[in-house]
Amino acid sequence: EVQLVESGGGLVQPGGSLKLSCAASGFTFSGSALHWVRQASGKGLEWVGRIRSKTTTYATTYAASVRGRFTISRDDSKNTAFLQMNSLKTEDTAVYYCARRGLNYAFDIWGQGTMVTVSS
Amino acid sequence: QSVLTQPPSASGTPGQRVTISCSGSSSNIESNTVNWYQQLPGTAPKLLIYSNNQRPSGVPDRFSGSKSGTSASLAISGLQSEDEADYYCAAWDDSLNVYVFGTGTRVTVL
Repeated sequence: EVQLVESGGGLVQPGGSLKLSCAASGFTFSGSALHWVRQASGKGLEWVGRIRSKTTTYATTYAASVRGRFTISRDDSKNTAFLQMNSLKTEDTAVYYCARRGLNYAFDIWGQGTMVTVSS
Repeated sequence: QSVLTQPPSASGTPGQRVTISCSGSSSNIESNTVNWYQQLPGTAPKLLIYSNNQRPSGVPDRFSGSKSGTSASLAISGLQSEDEADYYCAAWDDSLNVYVFGTGTRVTVL
């Protein structure tokens, strides 16, 4: 079955860190770019960032709101991508999804999401 | 703050046609293809339309997409109760070098 499964969400204090994982199965993970998207409760979708494949040197790009605080990485041997979140703020509270980029930047596979709550 | 603007809501009775607009700019919609996502309540988004007007396998043909200049549209013909969801347009933005989502439109079936 083609799927992405996120894990690692939870409650963290402002200023803290958290690392999310996105485990892939059912497709050639190493050849795919992976994106992270978040959604605060009752709000719309917000793109967080992406990591490209090895053929494009694992290049990363981030939204301005997380640049310098979040880092995306991947381990192709484990079919897993990661989102390292540092210096967390209350406004980072959201459900975080990972998604595979398909043709023309269409995100054709999504995970079920993992909740991150930043609160004291 | 999203750079793609959608109406916050749209509605129709079963069987009607509903259209959702998505307004962008030369650096996103005009320069790149538009994708549409459907998000049913409490679930992850799902790809509905890609490359402006293509439907992934399994998406009913009552969903259609179009693009002209800096705007795009999603049409739902023969509206059904299961179409009640939030809909988002999206595209890559060449100036910001980020992927941008629309503000989202909630479709209600009356």
